[in-house]
Amino acid sequence: EVQLVESGGGLVQPGGSLRLSCAASGFTVSSNYMSWVRQAPGRGLEWVSVIYSGGSTYYADSVKGRFTISRDNSKNTLYLQMNSLRAVDTAVYYCARGEKREPYFDYWGQGTLVTVSS
Amino acid sequence: DIQMTQSPSTLSASVGDRVTITCRASQSVSSWLAWYQQKPGKAPKLLIYKASSLESGVPSRFSGSGSGTEFTLTISSLQPDDFATYYCQQYNSLWTFGQGTKVEIK
Repeated sequence: EVQLVESGGGLVQPGGSLRLSCAASGFTVSSNYMSWVRQAPGRGLEWVSVIYSGGSTYYADSVKGRFTISRDNSKNTLYLQMNSLRAVDTAVYYCARGEKREPYFDYWGQGTLVTVSS
Repeated sequence: DIQMTQSPSTLSASVGDRVTITCRASQSVSSWLAWYQQKPGKAPKLLIYKASSLESGVPSRFSGSGSGTEFTLTISSLQPDDFATYYCQQYNSLWTFGQGTKVEIK
């Protein structure tokens, strides 16, 4: 059974850093592309970043230069390193698995809340 | 960047109603469009991919249609479990979501 479990969220001050983790089971993260999607309180979904099976990465303009996506194949875990955090980054962050044949998201984690506030 | 616009933003309906949600893309996304359902406090759930393909396990009352820039999600007979927010998503060029359509009880 495919499962994605996020962790690492919490309260951080503006300008601070946080690293989110997404532990996967039931499949290998390196064989699928994996994304982070966020949802600000009461708002819609926003795609944040992707790492392809070959290792290429892409970012939304809103986080480019501040966030870094990576994975640890030995731990079957996806990460999102978030630096220079701003209040507007406050959101629930979901990791999502991309289906192999077409790039829609077939499995999602339960999400982890990041709050950026002084 | 491709923008996705859903209408309406909110829809009030009764159990048994036929419901249609529209999603428009700012440029053609071919058939690379998915629909998700989200309930409060939960992760989104995939309903439809490639504009009209029903995800395994999703009830057949859900259907999708369209191509290019205009798409629809239809619920043929609304059930109590269907009151939720629905998002379209293009995956032709990276990913963009619509702003969501909340289906609420009339």
